[in-house]
Amino acid sequence: DADVTQTPRNRITKTGKRIMLECSQTKGHDRMYWYRQDPGLGLRLIYYSFDVKDINKGEISDGYSVSRQAQAKFSLSLESAIPNQTALYFCATSDLQPGRNEQFFGPGTRLTVL
Amino acid sequence: TQLLEQSPQFLSIQEGENLTVYCNSSSVFSSLQWYRQEPGEGPVLLVTVVTGGEVKKLKRLTFQFGDARKDSSLHITAAQPGDTGLYLCAGYGSSNTGKLIFGQGTTLQVKP
Repeated sequence: DADVTQTPRNRITKTGKRIMLECSQTKGHDRMYWYRQDPGLGLRLIYYSFDVKDINKGEISDGYSVSRQAQAKFSLSLESAIPNQTALYFCATSDLQPGRNEQFFGPGTRLTVL
Repeated sequence: TQLLEQSPQFLSIQEGENLTVYCNSSSVFSSLQWYRQEPGEGPVLLVTVVTGGEVKKLKRLTFQFGDARKDSSLHITAAQPGDTGLYLCAGYGSSNTGKLIFGQGTTLQVKP
């Protein structure tokens, strides 16, 4: 089984709808991240969490919110989706050691907002 | 804000050719990583370089970290179709925030 799973894998929704993307991990890592990927822009950090009680904004948090329900679960919500939020979304985890740690990514969720 | 600039953004070559991808910044990074991403999947770590001037080899892939820890390169020798994918450089900044900064990525296509 995959260490980092994301649901759904694909989602098409309409402008104004509320959407939740879910991420679960079995790696036992404390640190979890949500990224957005757009062609030519690489991966941009939306939110990150270093433990269950810690939530931090990334570089593009506007229009998004997150919830860390447990060490293993980190959800991303779009309260009112808009077309420019159409993108590929990735969840990632890493261990505590700072500065050089590998990040482990889920398979991604392709979101289309019409 | 620390930025990583990758070049080229797109590369299409024939099987057997050599290539180099560059990752540059005006800022110092405590370490740089290279990830490879295939369609429908998340990025997967290839290597981490930590020491300025460090060179690491992974089969036909050679990774180098600049002496000043501001840049890195990925060289592929005798590229194969299986090397096709998106290559991303990423770095942990010197301020040790625990956040990884990604370059824009280089899409490599190796034709048989």
